[in-house]
Amino acid sequence: DIQMTQSPSSLSASVGDRVTITCRASQDINNYLAWFQQKPGKAPKSLMFETSKLQSGVPSKFNGSGSGTDFTLTINCLQPEDFATYYCQQYITYPRTFGQGTKVEIK
Amino acid sequence: EVQLLESGGGLVQPGGSLRLSCAASGFPFSSSTMSWIRQAAGKGLEWVSTVSETGDTTYYADSVKGRFTISRDDSKNTVFLGMSSLRTEDTAVYYCVRGGWVHWGQGTLVTVSS
Repeated sequence: DIQMTQSPSSLSASVGDRVTITCRASQDINNYLAWFQQKPGKAPKSLMFETSKLQSGVPSKFNGSGSGTDFTLTINCLQPEDFATYYCQQYITYPRTFGQGTKVEIK
Repeated sequence: EVQLLESGGGLVQPGGSLRLSCAASGFPFSSSTMSWIRQAAGKGLEWVSTVSETGDTTYYADSVKGRFTISRDDSKNTVFLGMSSLRTEDTAVYYCVRGGWVHWGQGTLVTVSS
């Protein structure tokens, strides 16, 4: 199975900050990486697929990059609605696997 | 509008069985893979199972293989997750997800406890 490791597991940031979350795969997943945002009590929301492609309606302040085994999600100019937990996921093979999540909290 | 509505969750004793349903609408269901994802309270996301568009290919997480069965009924636009030999560690919110991972249901809570 492909292990997905996110870092950090949590971070504190202020409104207006830029934050970066990293995701490392235990083997090459090409660009078959997705990012999800989840708020408490809600279903996850898909932000990005194929590493850097934004889902419809997702603002361009979300940026994804990387290839192979190392990936990043950058959120520019944090707004109150961006405070949430973010998950990466590989979908190159089964079992699909998620990172453990990164909780972005208000400083 | 795409809608995924899960049902069938509830309280069940260890060793018991339950069948979850997910009624889909607003998209060509028969052309979509469908998956179940679960999330224990305060924990991360865990992929559980996926069924292909035709229903003839299924995939399972090792943690549920042999105990859970995913199936679909395209005449009813519904995907099912049959769960048996339930364990306390199966306690979670179960989400139904359309292929492409954009559309998720609201989740149904399964609690396995004596």
